[in-house]
Amino acid sequence: DAGVIQSPRHEVTEMGQEVTLRCKPISGHDYLFWYRQTMMRGLELLIYFNNNVPIDDSGMPEDRFSAKMPNASFSTLKIQPSEPRDSAVYFCASSKYRTGMDEQYFGPGTRLTVT
Amino acid sequence: QKEVEQNSGPLSVPEGAIASLNCTYSDRGSQSFFWYRQYSGKSPELIMSIYSNGDKEDGRFTAQLNKASQYVSLLIRDSQPSDSATYLCAVIASDSWGKLQFGAGTQVVVTP
Repeated sequence: DAGVIQSPRHEVTEMGQEVTLRCKPISGHDYLFWYRQTMMRGLELLIYFNNNVPIDDSGMPEDRFSAKMPNASFSTLKIQPSEPRDSAVYFCASSKYRTGMDEQYFGPGTRLTVT
Repeated sequence: QKEVEQNSGPLSVPEGAIASLNCTYSDRGSQSFFWYRQYSGKSPELIMSIYSNGDKEDGRFTAQLNKASQYVSLLIRDSQPSDSATYLCAVIASDSWGKLQFGAGTQVVVTP
């Protein structure tokens, strides 16, 4: 399996621009997670989906952030408008529900820099 | 706020020695526990999962879980320079399947 795929790997944008991050989960996985990692706050869960349905978006910092999962093999995280404080590494992870076992596998991440 | 606590380190370990990492968690209902390894500039990589009290061994890694004490640990035997990384403890929240809560991580430095 190719693992979780994310694109782009690096994104540099100016404040106020729209940013779209993309994720393809591992085939057969029914959970998809978006995380953000910064030195100050560590690894934070932003939102997660089960069978393409958002389950918990309580970690989304504000209305500028939105996420969608139109099908089982694709998800997007959008920031509009972007701000310098959004600079971070954004990870996508996926897992397959099995009773009592729930390992998550991470993609390579997108390093976002907002100037 | 449910928390996962780890010593930030760095933990300096001579090559060939045992590295011992500790993690405590506040969610008493948690049932699933994980250790991830993260190299600088890379994504977290799952190295161990543990669900029952006691020890679980996988190669040079041993995870230990004590739910009564809300404590999980990771031992790395025969530490190698390639083990130098940040190790993240993660716990599944009891009120929401799949929702991982991460500790801040312990940086391990293995010195030749």
